[in-house]
Amino acid sequence: DIVVTQSPLSLPVTPGESASISCRSNQSLLQSNGFNYLDWYLQKPGQSPQLLIYLGSYRASGVPDRFSGSGSGTDFTLKISRVEADDVGVYYCMQVLQGGTFGPGTKVDIK
Amino acid sequence: QTQLVQSGAEVRKPGASVMVSCKTSGYTFTHYAFYWVRQAPGQGLEWMGRISGNSGNTRYAQKFQDRVTMTTDTSTKSASMELRSLRSDDTAIYYCVMEGAAAGTVYWGQGTLVTVSS
Repeated sequence: DIVVTQSPLSLPVTPGESASISCRSNQSLLQSNGFNYLDWYLQKPGQSPQLLIYLGSYRASGVPDRFSGSGSGTDFTLKISRVEADDVGVYYCMQVLQGGTFGPGTKVDIK
Repeated sequence: QTQLVQSGAEVRKPGASVMVSCKTSGYTFTHYAFYWVRQAPGQGLEWMGRISGNSGNTRYAQKFQDRVTMTTDTSTKSASMELRSLRSDDTAIYYCVMEGAAAGTVYWGQGTLVTVSS
């Protein structure tokens, strides 16, 4: 089974600054079609998760361009530029290459 | 606009079974799949399995292989998930998730709380 890890698990952020979350898998998520099968989700308090980034670097519909995904193979990064108060919640990466596996989550809150 | 509406909260005793259903509205394409995710109180997200809406093919997480059955109704584009032999650590919110035809198209239900308690 593919195992996914994230770091850090907790991330206090200052509004207006940038923040980055790392996600690693124990197997490459890069397929021969050139796509990385890695998604990023945000779960705001009391809500269902919402898709931010799919296939490693593509923003989902309606997601602000402050959110960007990068990386390939086994190492990925979610970057939030100009953090806003509404960005707080738990961020999860999820591999979708073989079934699905979520990372443990990174809790983002305001300093 | 596509919406997923799940069935209401359930309470079961250990050893019992539970079925959670998920009804869609507003989705007009023929290609889709459902997967199920659960979240225990205060914990992270756990992928349980996936079912193709067109073929009915399933893939279950090994952890649930022996206890879960996922089904879909192509006429209504709805889905159900049955979990058997419930234990107290199955207490969680269960989410239905629909993958649309286009990459990056994902719709989540509102979640169903299943409580397992004697």
